Amino acid sequence: SQQGEEDPQALSIQEGENATMNCSYKTSINNLQWYRQNSGRGLVHLILIRSNEREKHSGRLRVTLDTSKKSSSLLITASRAADTASYFCATDLTGNQFYFGTGTSLTVIP
Amino acid sequence: KAGVTQTPRYLIKTRGQQVTLSCSPISGHRSVSWYQQTPGQGLQFLFEYFSETQRNKGNFPGRFSGRQFSNSRSEMNVSTLELGDSALYLCASSLGPGQGAYEQYFGPGTRLTVT
Repeated sequence: SQQGEEDPQALSIQEGENATMNCSYKTSINNLQWYRQNSGRGLVHLILIRSNEREKHSGRLRVTLDTSKKSSSLLITASRAADTASYFCATDLTGNQFYFGTGTSLTVIP
Repeated sequence: KAGVTQTPRYLIKTRGQQVTLSCSPISGHRSVSWYQQTPGQGLQFLFEYFSETQRNKGNFPGRFSGRQFSNSRSEMNVSTLELGDSALYLCASSLGPGQGAYEQYFGPGTRLTVT
C-alpha cells in the first residue's frame, strides 16, 4: 500500500482564497516533499521539509510537518488559476526511495 | 542547465512485446529513479540507480528492469508487456546520497500504451 495519503482528493476554490491539503503517512521518514503535476505531465518539486523541521515557507507555500501524528499539510495562500494542478506528497524513508500519495486535485476558479 | 529528458515521449506496443525507455538526468546528477503512474495505482516507485548500481527497488515483477550507464543516463526495460503496463513512466534525477536531502527533478514522462 502507498505510504502517503492526501486529503481531500479534490478541492475547488475561488481565486484569491487559500487552499489547504493534508498528507498522512505510515512509517518514520527522513524527509517529506511536495510536488505539483499539471495535466499528466512530469512533476515539479515545490518544497522539502526534513523530519526535524516543523514548518517551512516558500513564497505563497507553507508546509508543516507533525512527525508524532505522521502528517503534513500544504497551504497555498492567495491562490491563482495557474495553481490548478494535482499536488502530491512524497515521503523518503531510506534515502532516495520515495513513496507518493494519491494526490489532491486542486481547481482554482478565476 | 537542461532538464531531465526522456525518450520516447509516446509509445504504442502490443502485448507480449518488450520496450526500452531512456532517461538523461540533469548534468551533475548521479541518481536516477523511475516511477510508474496510472490512474488506479497512482505514482509507484520502480527503482533507483546510483553510480551504475541499483540502490532501491519497488514492488514490481522481474519483467521490469533497468540499468544506469557511466554517464548517469538510465534505461528501463519492460519485457513481455501486459495491458496493465499501460502508464506514464516518469524518470527523476537527483544529486544522489550524501548530497543533502534529495530533491528530485522529473522528466516529462513516456506514455506507454499496450494494446
